[in-house]
Amino acid sequence: GAVVSQHPSRVICKSGTSVKIECRSLDFQATTMFWYRQFPKKSLMLMATSNEGSKATYEQGVEKDKFLINHASLTLSTLTVTSAHPEDSSFYICSARDPRREKLFFGSGTQLSVL
Amino acid sequence: QKEVEQDPGPLSVPEGAIVSLNCTYSNSAFQYFMWYRQYSRKGPELLMYTYSSGNKEDGRFTAQVDKSSKYISLFIRDSQPSDSATYLCAMSRSGAGSYQLTFGKGTKLSVIP
Repeated sequence: GAVVSQHPSRVICKSGTSVKIECRSLDFQATTMFWYRQFPKKSLMLMATSNEGSKATYEQGVEKDKFLINHASLTLSTLTVTSAHPEDSSFYICSARDPRREKLFFGSGTQLSVL
Repeated sequence: QKEVEQDPGPLSVPEGAIVSLNCTYSNSAFQYFMWYRQYSRKGPELLMYTYSSGNKEDGRFTAQVDKSSKYISLFIRDSQPSDSATYLCAMSRSGAGSYQLTFGKGTKLSVIP
């Protein structure tokens, strides 16, 4: 079964609203989680690295104030897309690093559609 | 030149065929090579993980790495309709658990019954 749970799987919202996406590691403690964005027929683009108890590290070109990341516990990271606009519509995927197995496990993704 | 090149396809094969998926890369610092399978609107799932040049086999799947040519392949034997998915190659300098994975665009595979 899934070791990383991501919710919601799909969300449709109006322009200007904020959307929160949750990513949970189910059977391991993840000090580090990652958030990606994927456009159709494009590769996964790393947006930010989420570290438990500290500020997230954002990749170049990713707006920190637009994509708020909170990693409040060892099993939960959240991504909030603030004041969403149609250009934010995309498939967002999280992953978590299992330090015991030294592997990344991915969530099932969230399709965000902003009207 | 992009760090990782992967033909996006789509690739369509009959059931039972041998499938060959490939990626090339330009950065010789990459040491770890992975193949992920991604079903439509789902997160990627790790299929194969290799470190050194050569072949690694797991059931119907064989991963091949040629560091001298900077070329990696994934072979699927006796392909099944359930293998229909997008296959992403990924590579890193420091292991499969590293966040510094660089992904290919993915190749969409359809196995026709």
